[in-house]
Amino acid sequence: AQKITQTQPGMFVQEKEAVTLDCTYDTSDPSYGLFWYKQPSSGEMIFLIYQGSYDQQNATEGRYSLNFQKARKSANLVISASQLGDSAMYFCAMREGQGTYKYIFGTGTRLKVLA
Amino acid sequence: GAGVSQSPRYKVAKRGQDVALRCDPISGHVSLFWYQQALGQGPEFLTYFQNEAQLDKSGLPSDRFFAERPEGSVSTLKIQRTQQEDSAVYLCASSHTDRVNYGYTFGSGTRLTVV
Repeated sequence: AQKITQTQPGMFVQEKEAVTLDCTYDTSDPSYGLFWYKQPSSGEMIFLIYQGSYDQQNATEGRYSLNFQKARKSANLVISASQLGDSAMYFCAMREGQGTYKYIFGTGTRLKVLA
Repeated sequence: GAGVSQSPRYKVAKRGQDVALRCDPISGHVSLFWYQQALGQGPEFLTYFQNEAQLDKSGLPSDRFFAERPEGSVSTLKIQRTQQEDSAVYLCASSHTDRVNYGYTFGSGTRLTVV
């Protein structure tokens, strides 16, 4: 079974609008971390935001926020005020358990911001 | 250096050839990871080093894959007798062990094409 599911292969958003990228996950471990990474065409994975399973509040980092719905096992990324430079692949990832280091990545969503 | 550096950026190998991919992590980063990213997929874990110790190599797809980090800094991923299914982007990442919730810093990857 897929541990991380990203159901949107591609998304378009108008510049300055907000966009939500979906991510659902599957784990039976009560302790886990959820991450979002951006991968521009240059290839490197850029860390955006982190949400711990015990965190009470949704994570925010500048224009990025994570809509964490634990009961639904979803961790959607919200990008506000989209910019042309936001066009990239976006990957949701999970680390299971305490003290673990392996990421399990989803298949990604390609976001295109339109001028 | 300021970021994780990988070389070469691109590598074309004839089937059966041996290749070596290099990763220069951020100075002082204890943890180093290798991931394999097939076309259109998310990265998949290959192996993990803490300093010079290879603590996890469970993701290496076959015994043709070998990784080392002899002095706890630069790492080399070696693939012997390359096959077409080895064609992928190989990503290296590093982190401070105690900053795991801040995400890893990835390099831009080496795109390996086996012909």
